[in-house]
Amino acid sequence: DAGVIQSPRHEVTEMGQEVTLRCKPISGHNSLFWYRQTMMRGLELLIYFNNNVPIDDSGMPEDRFSAKMPNASFSTLKIQPSEPRDSAVYFCASSYLLGQEQYFGPGTRLTVT
Amino acid sequence: GENVEQHPSTLSVQEGDSAVIKCTYSDSASNYFPWYKQELGKRPQLIIDIRSNVGEKKDQRIAVTLNKTAKHFSLHITETQPEDSAVYFCAASKGSGNTGKLIFGQGTTLQVKP
Repeated sequence: DAGVIQSPRHEVTEMGQEVTLRCKPISGHNSLFWYRQTMMRGLELLIYFNNNVPIDDSGMPEDRFSAKMPNASFSTLKIQPSEPRDSAVYFCASSYLLGQEQYFGPGTRLTVT
Repeated sequence: GENVEQHPSTLSVQEGDSAVIKCTYSDSASNYFPWYKQELGKRPQLIIDIRSNVGEKKDQRIAVTLNKTAKHFSLHITETQPEDSAVYFCAASKGSGNTGKLIFGQGTTLQVKP
């Protein structure tokens, strides 16, 4: 198995631009998680899905952030418009079931200038 | 709300010594406790986990202990090696139904000096 796949690995964009991050979970996994990691705030859970349905989006910082999971093998995290304070590493993780071990993707390093 | 506190934030040991990282959690319903290791510039990787029906679990040089009464769990690394240097995160989860999200501690930066 290729593991969790994320794209792009690096993204540099200007303030005000739309950014879309992509994730493909491990095949057969039913739960998908989006995290953001910064030095200041550590590892934060933004939103998670179970069977493609959003369960908890309380970690989404504001309305500029949105996430979708149109099918079991694909999810997107969109930031529109982006701001410099959104600069971080964004990880996607998946697990077979909720409450079981999560496997992280390689992350997307986002820089907003 | 749910909270996981992790200590210490940094830990420096000499190669061959043991390292211990401790976490406490607030939600008594938590029943799944994984530990992740994150090397610089890489993804967090699961290294060991424990469920609430077990008090201790070992895997070669690493072990985790759980005290449900006190609501704390610890990671023990014996015979540390330079490649153990990384950031370690503990986490807690209720582990079932629609409440399976992980609550992470703040991380411990472990430095193993050769």
